[in-house]
Amino acid sequence: AQSVAQPEDQVNVAEGNPLTVKCTYSVSGNPYLFWYVQYPNRGLQFLLKYITGDNLVKGSYGFEAEFNKSQTSFHLKKPSALVSDSALYFCAVRDPNTGTASKLTFGTGTRLQVTL
Amino acid sequence: SQTIHQWPATLVQPVGSPLSLECTVEGTSNPNLYWYRQAAGRGLQLLFYSVGIGQISSEVPQNLSASRPQDRQFILSSKKLLLSDSGFYLCAWGGYGYTFGSGTRLTVV
Repeated sequence: AQSVAQPEDQVNVAEGNPLTVKCTYSVSGNPYLFWYVQYPNRGLQFLLKYITGDNLVKGSYGFEAEFNKSQTSFHLKKPSALVSDSALYFCAVRDPNTGTASKLTFGTGTRLQVTL
Repeated sequence: SQTIHQWPATLVQPVGSPLSLECTVEGTSNPNLYWYRQAAGRGLQLLFYSVGIGQISSEVPQNLSASRPQDRQFILSSKKLLLSDSGFYLCAWGGYGYTFGSGTRLTVV
């Protein structure tokens, strides 16, 4: 069965500093990996995905993530954090062998707090 | 472009009352549709998914049911709500990745 771990409940960073939100995964085959962001009382918004190709994936709002197969990780990064980046971030994985249902498994979320 | 609509945005219901949450998708046909529940503002639990009209798969046993009467309509229901049904309900459609609706905050009192 596929699974995702986000080891940090919360990440605190000062505005202008780089940020990293960690994610590790477990899946039987080659994974499809995703990052989503959620603002209070809102649905999840897609940030970026890795399906195949370049290990460094660039997404919305200046975020990027690096797929590392040997470490089974897909950490989310941004070179310079903004206060407006403060939100709840979810990593998700899909096993491409799950057929037509294409179910995503989500991590428990990491709350990012960016302060001035 | 594809859009997903979910309503109502908030709902307060007494214990024992029925529930109906609706989700509709525009701009696509035969989408995979999903219902998730988010408790305590954190983890997402997959409740139901559907790959076509009348096709519903349940992920966890519970007090809720789902139906897909039309290609782009997905409904979450309950005959009698429990306090434990309170939470934030999210509808999503997708293939590789998901597009989420804006969510319904359900409070059972």
